[in-house]
Amino acid sequence: DTEVTQTPKHLVMGMTNKKSLKCEQHMGHRAMYWYKQKAKKPPELMFVYSYEKLSINESVPSRFSPECPNSSLLNLHLHALQPEDSALYLCASSQVPGVLYEQYFGPGTRLTVT
Amino acid sequence: AQKITQTQPGMFVQEKEAVTLDCTYDTSDPSYGLFWYKQPSSGEMIFLIYQGSYDQQNATEGRYSLNFQKARKSANLVISASQLGDSAMYFCAMREALLRWTNAGKSTFGDGTTLTVKP
Repeated sequence: DTEVTQTPKHLVMGMTNKKSLKCEQHMGHRAMYWYKQKAKKPPELMFVYSYEKLSINESVPSRFSPECPNSSLLNLHLHALQPEDSALYLCASSQVPGVLYEQYFGPGTRLTVT
Repeated sequence: AQKITQTQPGMFVQEKEAVTLDCTYDTSDPSYGLFWYKQPSSGEMIFLIYQGSYDQQNATEGRYSLNFQKARKSANLVISASQLGDSAMYFCAMREALLRWTNAGKSTFGDGTTLTVKP
């Protein structure tokens, strides 16, 4: 099973709302990732969790707050977002964060900020 | 300089024909991995194929093969017998081993190539 699940599939939120994106994998992977992707652009790395600890934060604004409650689950908490934050948010996992290991991506959450 | 270059923004191929998607990369790290992903319009990124820098043979996975030319720093994806379902955006990505301690897990993606398969 190489499945990464993400909920919700679509999300529309106002700039004053608080919402969360959820990502789950049951492949025993110890590295999990959040990416942001604008239309027809490559994904941009936001955060990496390695063994449930935050290992990379790509200078992401604090209105995005990641959380890794356990090795299977990854959340992205959203607060006071801007319209330019509208994008596809992809979660991914890999066995470990090494050069040899491919990332498996979820279907993404399409976020619209109004 | 861009680390991953995909020079073809868009490509067309006739159904059942083969197509090559170009990818060149730039690194001074002797140990690295190259990945190809497919992204249909639905949004999900699908892993296709992997090539390690020390691999002696070109990687193959079903209808996908990777034409790895290390000296030229190219890792082109070849799709044989194209199908309508192959229409999607294709990304080439690289991960460098030297980054593993300070930036473990970072991948560099190219800008992508949109492939359209014509019936």
